Amino acid sequence: LAKTTQPISMDSYEGQEVNITCSHNNIATNDYITWYQQFPSQGPRFIIQGYKTKVTNEVASLFIPADRKSSTLSLPRVSLSDTAVYYCLVGGPNWGGGNKLTFGTGTQLKVEL
Amino acid sequence: EAQVTQNPRYLITVTGKKLTVTCSQNMNHEYMSWYRQDPGLGLRQIYYSMNVEVTDKGDVPEGYKVSRKEKRNFPLILESPSPNQTSLYFCASSWGRRGQADTQYFGPGTRLTVL
Repeated sequence: LAKTTQPISMDSYEGQEVNITCSHNNIATNDYITWYQQFPSQGPRFIIQGYKTKVTNEVASLFIPADRKSSTLSLPRVSLSDTAVYYCLVGGPNWGGGNKLTFGTGTQLKVEL
Repeated sequence: EAQVTQNPRYLITVTGKKLTVTCSQNMNHEYMSWYRQDPGLGLRQIYYSMNVEVTDKGDVPEGYKVSRKEKRNFPLILESPSPNQTSLYFCASSWGRRGQADTQYFGPGTRLTVL
């Protein structure tokens, strides 16, 4: 699996947009980019997944440039409840099913009033 | 409700006393996995299983055993627990289908303390 690098922590205020960038320089052609969210003492929860350009769902947007060596998770108008650790994972089809899965240490997002 | 369940949620035990943490999913997923989470180290995969009777080591398998006799269950066994296995453990499942990216569904976690 491609190694990923994320900031250890980020701070924001309620109502602001938060962008968390993940670097994955050795991403492979068939790799997807997936983001998970984890609250204290809970299991990670899937947020969004993409392969290229932009993906948007009801929770977040994922921006992937043409070279795919990085990706940015965008959380619009964050609230206190978005305080959590966010993990970026990179892997190819069936990587979740057939291979080891490495989460890394993630980005601790803290949202304040 | 689609979910992954783990039991027990909290466990305090002593060194050397065998224990089993159960994991069950009701989504008919083929792939199941165990992780441990420690401060500063993130989530690390212990073992995974692609289907019944098929298991393989993750990044930190030492001191653990697993079995997959039924599709829905994937217990984690610590034959002789040691204090360095004190951790927060998560079970996860997914479809594990070939040809498409996969997403994991996680259980609520089991906090284990080994004295």
